[in-house]
Amino acid sequence: DAKTTQPPSMDCAEGRAANLPCNHSTISGNEYVYWYRQIHSQGPQYIIHGLKNNETNEMASLIITEDRKSSTLILPHATLRDTAVYYCIVRVENNAGNMLTFGGGTRLMVKP
Amino acid sequence: ETGVTQSPTHLIKTRGQQVTLRCSSQSGHNTVSWYQQALGQGPQFIFQYYREEENGRGNFPPRFSGLQFPNYSSELNVNALELDDSALYLCASSLVAGRDEQFFGPGTRLTVL
Repeated sequence: DAKTTQPPSMDCAEGRAANLPCNHSTISGNEYVYWYRQIHSQGPQYIIHGLKNNETNEMASLIITEDRKSSTLILPHATLRDTAVYYCIVRVENNAGNMLTFGGGTRLMVKP
Repeated sequence: ETGVTQSPTHLIKTRGQQVTLRCSSQSGHNTVSWYQQALGQGPQFIFQYYREEENGRGNFPPRFSGLQFPNYSSELNVNALELDDSALYLCASSLVAGRDEQFFGPGTRLTVL
């Protein structure tokens, strides 16, 4: 699976949009981009994933550049409960073990 | 709440001992994965079980072993504990092996003294 690069930490004001970048310049054509987050003392939580089209669900939006070398997770109206470590992961969907390779992630601090 | 439960919540062992951690998957999920998360780091994949068979393994020694039962609950066993085994152990279940989202449990915090 391709490696990802994320900033180690970011701050965001409550109520504003949080834009979390991820670089995955070596991504292959069949690799998906996944985002998980981990709130302190809890297990990781799935947020969203996509291949090449932008995706939106009730939690967030995922914007993938046309060359697929980077993406941005957008939390449209961040709340204090969104304070967490956010992991960007790229992986191939296959049947040979669907392990997730977590990097260091981005520690997002939402401030009042 | 993901429907994935783990026991115990916390555990303290001494070096050289053996430990068994347990996971109950979300209903209907036939795939379970185990991860080790050291303090301040992201989770690292240990192995995955699909329909009671090991279906992938990360870079962990053979003293890390597992089982998956017909009801899809799972165990992680670690023999000859070392100090570096101190970590949060997470299990995650998924509906289909090899794709889509994994649902994580709250983890078991293991401390090896």
